[in-house]
Amino acid sequence: IAGITQAPTSQILAAGRRMTLRCTQDMRHNAMYWYRQDLGLGLRLIHYSNTAGTTGKGEVPDGYSVSRANTDDFPLTLASAVPSQTSVYFCASSEHGTSGGAADEQFFGPGTRLTVL
Amino acid sequence: DQQVKQNSPSLSVQEGRISILNCDYTNSMFDYFLWYKKYPAEGPTFLISISSIKDKNEDGRFTVFLNKSAKHLSLHIVPSQPGDSAVYFCAARDQGAQKLVFGQGTRLTINP
Repeated sequence: IAGITQAPTSQILAAGRRMTLRCTQDMRHNAMYWYRQDLGLGLRLIHYSNTAGTTGKGEVPDGYSVSRANTDDFPLTLASAVPSQTSVYFCASSEHGTSGGAADEQFFGPGTRLTVL
Repeated sequence: DQQVKQNSPSLSVQEGRISILNCDYTNSMFDYFLWYKKYPAEGPTFLISISSIKDKNEDGRFTVFLNKSAKHLSLHIVPSQPGDSAVYFCAARDQGAQKLVFGQGTRLTINP
C-alpha cells in the first residue's frame, strides 16, 4: 500500500543520546515535512524539504537536523536529546510543496512517539 | 504567537445533528485553508480545503465557510456520524513562508 512509513513506532530515550527518526514515502512526492504534536499546541513544523537535496527550517527547528539525499527518505536527527523533545513526531509529504498553485494535500505517516527521560 | 487558533479544545454533538468547528487566524497573507482529521494513533488525514478567494466549499457532508473580513473559518458536518469522532485540525498556508500553520485542534465527540 502506497504511503508514508515511520520508524520506530515509539522510543524511550535517555537525555543526551542521539536519535534518528526514519521516514520513507513511496508516492514520489517532491516535498516532505517533519512536525511535532504537543497537547494544546497542535502540529508545529520542525523542518521541511521542497525537493531532494534541499531543506529548510520550520517553526521549531532548534535541536533537530534533517537531510534529503533522495526523493523517498527524510530522516530527522536529534543530536543530543532533551526532555522537552518528548512529543509525537509526524512525517508528511506532498506532491508539489507549499508554494504556488492550489494548496497541496499533505499525507501523514502514523507518527513516532518519543519520550526523553 | 498562535497565528491559527482553535479556541474550543473539545465539542460534543448528538448523532444526526450538525457539528460546527471554528478556527480563527491573524495573518491576512494566508491564501489557502485546510481541515485535517486525526484518529488516535494515526496520522492526520486531509478532509477539505478552501481558497481565500472563495467563501464556501462543500464536499458531501462537509462544508467549509470562510469569512475573510472576520479572519474566521468554520467546518460544518451534517449529519454528524459516530465515525466523525476525532480531533480536527485547521491549517492555513503561508505561501510566503512556504509552510502550513496548524491550529491546536478540536476533539469532536459524536454521541449516539
